[in-house]
Amino acid sequence: GAVVSQHPSWVICKSGTSVKIECRSLDFQATTMFWYRQFPKQSLMLMATSNEGSKATYEQGVEKDKFLINHASLTLSTLTVTSAHPEDSSFYICSAFLAGVSNEQFFGPGTRLTVL
Amino acid sequence: AQSVTQLDSHVSVSEGTPVLLRCNYSSSYSPSLFWYVQHPNKGLQLLLKYTSAATLVKGINGFEAEFKKSETSFHLTKPSAHMSDAAEYFCVVSDRNSNYQLIWGAGTKLIIKP
Repeated sequence: GAVVSQHPSWVICKSGTSVKIECRSLDFQATTMFWYRQFPKQSLMLMATSNEGSKATYEQGVEKDKFLINHASLTLSTLTVTSAHPEDSSFYICSAFLAGVSNEQFFGPGTRLTVL
Repeated sequence: AQSVTQLDSHVSVSEGTPVLLRCNYSSSYSPSLFWYVQHPNKGLQLLLKYTSAATLVKGINGFEAEFKKSETSFHLTKPSAHMSDAAEYFCVVSDRNSNYQLIWGAGTKLIIKP
């Protein structure tokens, strides 16, 4: 099956610093990738839709200047949390959309961000 | 507009007994429906999916779900629970009208009693 990786799997940073999370589709090309956020014991919340070669589309309430998304190639999307604060601590999950017969999203393993 | 309702936030069953996790959806078009499982501190794993083929869908680890259009339901079942099934389960819907964005249920925590 299609495989999506995320790096790093966990990160701890100081308040005020920026953190970059990478999402890669390893064996397929994805023109569309999605970024989700999951708070403890809650469901996934879609943050933004990332399209290769164009600007990301952010969901209502998600600050685009806070969460910078770059989809520079068909296999890589990055999420940068700028000037992170403790309230940004969360589990961030990406998915890559495989168009075709299945039209299915494949998920990365997630990145646990802790901001001190 | 699409929506997904998982009717139970927690389900507790004894090991070896059947599992039923309930899910109702609303969708304007022919939907695709998914069940995902998330074990503690682990990534999401697709259990099964319905995409307009057979209404009874068999998934991994002995799970299956039946698409019932008349009831707008997609309940997840397993004949005999195992301790390793303890996890959070998410019912998800998407359709082409929403560019295949996923709409997530709130999740059901499955607890297995020894």
